[in-house]
Amino acid sequence: DTEVTQTPKHLVMGMTNKKSLKCEQHMGHRAMYWYKQKAKKPPELMFVYSYEKLSINESVPSRFSPECPNSSLLNLHLHALQPEDSALYLCASSPHPNRDEQFFGPGTRLTVL
Amino acid sequence: AQKITQTQPGMFVQEKEAVTLDCTYDTSDPSYGLFWYKQPSSGEMIFLIYQGSYDQQNATEGRYSLNFQKARKSANLVISASQLGDSAMYFCAMREANSGGSNYKLTFGKGTLLTVNP
Repeated sequence: DTEVTQTPKHLVMGMTNKKSLKCEQHMGHRAMYWYKQKAKKPPELMFVYSYEKLSINESVPSRFSPECPNSSLLNLHLHALQPEDSALYLCASSPHPNRDEQFFGPGTRLTVL
Repeated sequence: AQKITQTQPGMFVQEKEAVTLDCTYDTSDPSYGLFWYKQPSSGEMIFLIYQGSYDQQNATEGRYSLNFQKARKSANLVISASQLGDSAMYFCAMREANSGGSNYKLTFGKGTLLTVNP
């Protein structure tokens, strides 16, 4: 298995909803990442998990809550989002946290109403 | 200050011709890595090629090659024999250590939208 999978592909939620994005990889990678990408912009790093521990939080608002239950799975819990949080959320993984290319999933397109 | 600069918002190329996408970078870290990713309209980021700061030779991967000029801090992507499927957004990215030196992050340029014409 050489891919990163993300579910759901699309998500529409209201500002009072609680939802979660899921990312999975079975390549034995020890680093996993969440990025946010607005239309026609480059991806912006949100969080990095290194060996299942949160190693980078790029000053992301607390309405985004990451979780890494095990080395293959990464979640992003969403609560009380704002319409400006609508974006493509990309998950990535890499064999190690300080080198190697990152492999990206197909992303979740999130719309907040 | 912008660390990765892609000066070409859009580029056009005829099918079967070669095209060069420009990327310049700025870092004071002697150890860094440079990456190129392709993002079709479907959204997935596809890794194309990597160049390490200490690599002596320019990286090549099939039809992709990276023209690495360290003194000029440039890492241009060359795509040979363009195909219609190459039409996509292309991002240059740099990996460098964060302020503490214990973690590494990718910083992306603004991207170049490549259109391959038949």
